[in-house]
Amino acid sequence: DAMVIQNPRYQVTQFGKPVTLSCSQTLNHNVMYWYQQKSSQAPKLLFHYYDKDFNNEADTPDNFQSRRPNTSFCFLDIRSPGLGDAAMYLCATSRVGGGQPQHFGDGTRLSIL
Amino acid sequence: GQNIDQPTEMTATEGAIVQINCTYQTSGFNGLFWYQQHAGEAPTFLSYNVLDGLEEKGRFSSFLSRSKGYSYLLLKELQMKDSASYLCAVRPEGGATNKLIFGTGTLLAVQP
Repeated sequence: DAMVIQNPRYQVTQFGKPVTLSCSQTLNHNVMYWYQQKSSQAPKLLFHYYDKDFNNEADTPDNFQSRRPNTSFCFLDIRSPGLGDAAMYLCATSRVGGGQPQHFGDGTRLSIL
Repeated sequence: GQNIDQPTEMTATEGAIVQINCTYQTSGFNGLFWYQQHAGEAPTFLSYNVLDGLEEKGRFSSFLSRSKGYSYLLLKELQMKDSASYLCAVRPEGGATNKLIFGTGTLLAVQP
């Protein structure tokens, strides 16, 4: 049974057209993360939420925003997608505390036309 | 800066043993994780080390030396389904959350 669910699996949008990716979890974990992963590269952390506290990475472009309306859901908004934003976007969750592994969703592959 | 190095690719034979190395230079160290990622799928957790030594979990073992900034993942009795990318990730900060810095991964091909 999927515990971290990302929708859709594949998303196509047009250059400059806003797009929202969604993530939900049934694990009741406090922390939710968004990563960007390009082909043959490491997952790159964009931001994370600890409960309602938002933590942005210093090098995350302003074009990327996130919302967490409740414990179960988290959204990634890309306000004006560029061609360089085509990637796999991974959502992950974890419990609080050291040693707690992150649990990943299957990802959303975003294509930009 | 943060730097995690792994070999890009490795090839091994079904039934054999393979060791995947990872070296890291990070601003801090609060644990090291290994993940397996099949093509087009999400990473799945394999192992965690925070103290020096070997952690064994079935066919998979992971070793850590904090003084050397070094870890390896050991896969025994290789199976074809072990063909995947193996990601080394370091938790550089303490505290409540588990932010990770990932390496680019080692793509392992298991041949018959």
